[in-house]
Amino acid sequence: DVKVTQSSRYLVKRTGEKVFLECVQDMDHENMFWYRQDPGLGLRLIYFSYDVKMKEKGDIPEGYSVSREKKERFSLILESASTNQTSMYLCASGIGTTEAFFGQGTRLTVV
Amino acid sequence: QKEVEQNSGPLSVPEGAIASLNCTYSDRGSQSFFWYRQYSGKSPELIMFIYSNGDKEDGRFTAQLNKASQYVSLLIRDSQPSDSATYLCAVRSGNTPLVFGKGTRLSVIA
Repeated sequence: DVKVTQSSRYLVKRTGEKVFLECVQDMDHENMFWYRQDPGLGLRLIYFSYDVKMKEKGDIPEGYSVSREKKERFSLILESASTNQTSMYLCASGIGTTEAFFGQGTRLTVV
Repeated sequence: QKEVEQNSGPLSVPEGAIASLNCTYSDRGSQSFFWYRQYSGKSPELIMFIYSNGDKEDGRFTAQLNKASQYVSLLIRDSQPSDSATYLCAVRSGNTPLVFGKGTRLSVIA
């Protein structure tokens, strides 16, 4: 079974803090994605990566950055957390044109 | 901007009935179509995918694709209360990231 593991299930951070969300997959997938999900807005793509050290902006990259130093790990970084970044963050991985497998999600609250 | 549209619901069906969930997409170049189920507070899980026009059946689930009409649907036969969830339609063109609809909330009434 594909396993995509996100480092935290729930996280509370203060405004202005630098926040790291980690994601690890164990299936040697080339593609990894970060989405955020908000009520009424659905899943929105933040960043994605098709290879190590490669990254592409998604639909809403502002205020975020990513790092992919190893194939299995894709990190999302909130440079200076703000309250409008309170959300459910979902990491996913996949190969080629097939489906994406999701991690369990991180519910981030910025206070 | 590629768009995937779904009726937000809630769609309420009695237990044992057929639930029909619909999705339209804007990009004619779309090649792969996926249905995910998401329970409240959980992450999406894949339940069906379809690449070719027509029907694809898997147990109680049937996915239907009509590329000419840019329409994909999911039928759930013999609906159970445990099917109550939000169903997300996702579409991709080639190796681009999945584009998701906002989901349809299904409620199966016992």
